[in-house]
Amino acid sequence: GAGVSQSPRYKVAKRGQDVALRCDPISGHVSLFWYQQALGQGPEFLTYFQNEAQLDKSGLPSDRFFAERPEGSVSTLKIQRTQQEDSAVYLCASSLYGTTEQYFGPGTRLTVT
Amino acid sequence: DQQVKQNSPSLSVQEGRISILNCDYTNSMFDYFLWYKKYPAEGPTFLISISSIKDKNEDGRFTVFLNKSAKHLSLHIVPSQPGDSAVYFCAATYSGGGADGLTFGKGTHLIIQP
Repeated sequence: GAGVSQSPRYKVAKRGQDVALRCDPISGHVSLFWYQQALGQGPEFLTYFQNEAQLDKSGLPSDRFFAERPEGSVSTLKIQRTQQEDSAVYLCASSLYGTTEQYFGPGTRLTVT
Repeated sequence: DQQVKQNSPSLSVQEGRISILNCDYTNSMFDYFLWYKKYPAEGPTFLISISSIKDKNEDGRFTVFLNKSAKHLSLHIVPSQPGDSAVYFCAATYSGGGADGLTFGKGTHLIIQP
């Protein structure tokens, strides 16, 4: 079956612009995660959904970051008033309920100029 | 404060030999550990995992060893193949709280020399 998909794959934004990044998880996966990966670093946890409920948003770096999953499948990560330090690869992962292995999408590379 | 550390940024191994990638952790609450492999411009791909109730898990050419007292785990790949050249990430989590975000190390770039 299809894996996790993300769009767009690449996004260039001018500082101050708002961006929206989309994630389509594997069908049937209840859990959905967002991570931020800066250059030369490992992915860092941002937020977690179980179905449509956002159960953990402790990793969101500021109130400019907002995530939603209104129908429990597709999720959107929104970044308002982008800053240069937001430049990174944003990864989405999904997993079956009760399992720990997470399956990642290809990521969206965001460049803020 | 890095809770998961991969102290070797890169490792070069000859094709056919054993590759050993190391990982240390500091948080004693972690009880489940995973290894991911990442090619450029792709997302991380799950390789193998181990629960803290075990000290070894094997899947084909890949074996993960866990030493809880030392808070250390390692991934062995044998024999190493050219397609194994990639960045390998060690990750850890606490499984007892339901699904949780993974905590990753910075990765080790494995290069398999022909």
